[in-house]
Amino acid sequence: GAGVSQSPSNKVTEKGKDVELRCDPISGHTALYWYRQSLGQGLEFLIYFQGNSAPDKSGLPSDRFSAERTGGSVSTLTIQRTQQEDSAVYLCASSLRAGAYTGELFFGEGSRLTVL
Amino acid sequence: AQTVTQSQPEMSVQEAETVTLSCTYDTSENNYYLFWYKQPPSRQMILVIRQEAYKQQNATENRFSVNFQKAAKSFSLKISDSQLGDTAMYFCAFIASGSRLTFGEGTQLTVNP
Repeated sequence: GAGVSQSPSNKVTEKGKDVELRCDPISGHTALYWYRQSLGQGLEFLIYFQGNSAPDKSGLPSDRFSAERTGGSVSTLTIQRTQQEDSAVYLCASSLRAGAYTGELFFGEGSRLTVL
Repeated sequence: AQTVTQSQPEMSVQEAETVTLSCTYDTSENNYYLFWYKQPPSRQMILVIRQEAYKQQNATENRFSVNFQKAAKSFSLKISDSQLGDTAMYFCAFIASGSRLTFGEGTQLTVNP
């Protein structure tokens, strides 16, 4: 597709359930980023991928959070045993490559997660 | 660690007037990039303007310009001739040698007719 695609757009789940959020980056972009945005807050870095490897996963808030990327393309963010504090918009972005010269990140529209 | 601070949670401006959004940052790096991103209600973040730290000239993109003060670690965004479509959350962001783009808390800008 022309832009970064995220699914689902909205997800409502019960506390304790597992959820998977998907990101399909722009074709040819080797770097992929996950951010979390809580209501009225800025963007909290979670993890980034360069190709299929994750050089920096230090932003993942707990071991309930994991992410993978396969084929240098689609990425999945998995949250196990969801908690109410996990409720947020999860934003994915991609860029041609990672690094200080990355310049522009292209963002998807996010997946809004609500944990009841 | 780098930090980015936006001290104005909300701002408003009348259509056609000029508004300036503030941003300060803290870093020990000498080479870095600064950005302003816009997030309208649709949630999709859009790059507004970028500035390379090694460039002394302030970046300009149509009605958007920045005032980059490297010594003061200040990076403000000026929007001229404000339009209703400029209503959005604006985020200042910073990246240095690492690959983590660090964002400020955001400023909600409302353009009033």
